[in-house]
Amino acid sequence: GAVVSQHPSWVICKSGTSVKIECRSLDFQATTMFWYRQFPKQSLMLMATSNEGSKATYEQGVEKDKFLINHASLTLSTLTVTSAHPEDSSFYICSARGRRASGRAQPETQYFGPGTRLLVL
Amino acid sequence: AQTVTQSQPEMSVQEAETVTLSCTYDTSESDYYLFWYKQPPSRQMILVIRQEAYKQQNATENRFSVNFQKAAKSFSLKISDSQLGDAAMYFCAYIRQGAQKLVFGQGTRLTINP
Repeated sequence: GAVVSQHPSWVICKSGTSVKIECRSLDFQATTMFWYRQFPKQSLMLMATSNEGSKATYEQGVEKDKFLINHASLTLSTLTVTSAHPEDSSFYICSARGRRASGRAQPETQYFGPGTRLLVL
Repeated sequence: AQTVTQSQPEMSVQEAETVTLSCTYDTSESDYYLFWYKQPPSRQMILVIRQEAYKQQNATENRFSVNFQKAAKSFSLKISDSQLGDAAMYFCAYIRQGAQKLVFGQGTRLTINP
């Protein structure tokens, strides 16, 4: 199946610093990328949807100035957690989807990165 | 709004046996896709199987197969010859044709007993 990478896999940072997480589609063109947050033993919570070359669409309750998303190319999206605080500690997962069958990606299908564990001290 | 329900928070099965995970969904759409994702302890979300609603034939991927009942809005996952590596959280998901957002169920935690 299609492969999505995410980097870094682990981040530990001090309160007040900013953290950038990268999400890359390795073998297909991702016209849409998604950022999720997952709390322990819960399902995924969608934070935002980003389409290549346009501004991200944030879900209700997600602070867009806090979680900056950039989708500059068909293979890369970044999530920057600005001025991180302990309550931002969580597991962040990205996913990517092509508009149509692209490379090894099937249409209407999201392929997920391995996730990033963020711990803010 | 579309919803996905997984009524079994936890399931367990003996190694080498067969287990079925339930999923029901609510939609008024006729064109959509259904998925099962597996999330092992590593927390990587892995696509297990994908079903297009317009296809009557049930999707299969090796030991994994689905029972797709469109009229009943049911999409169960059968795992045959269960292996220790199948232990994970399984999420059922739905997406309407042309939509962007996946709708996830609450998940079912599957334990494999050796």
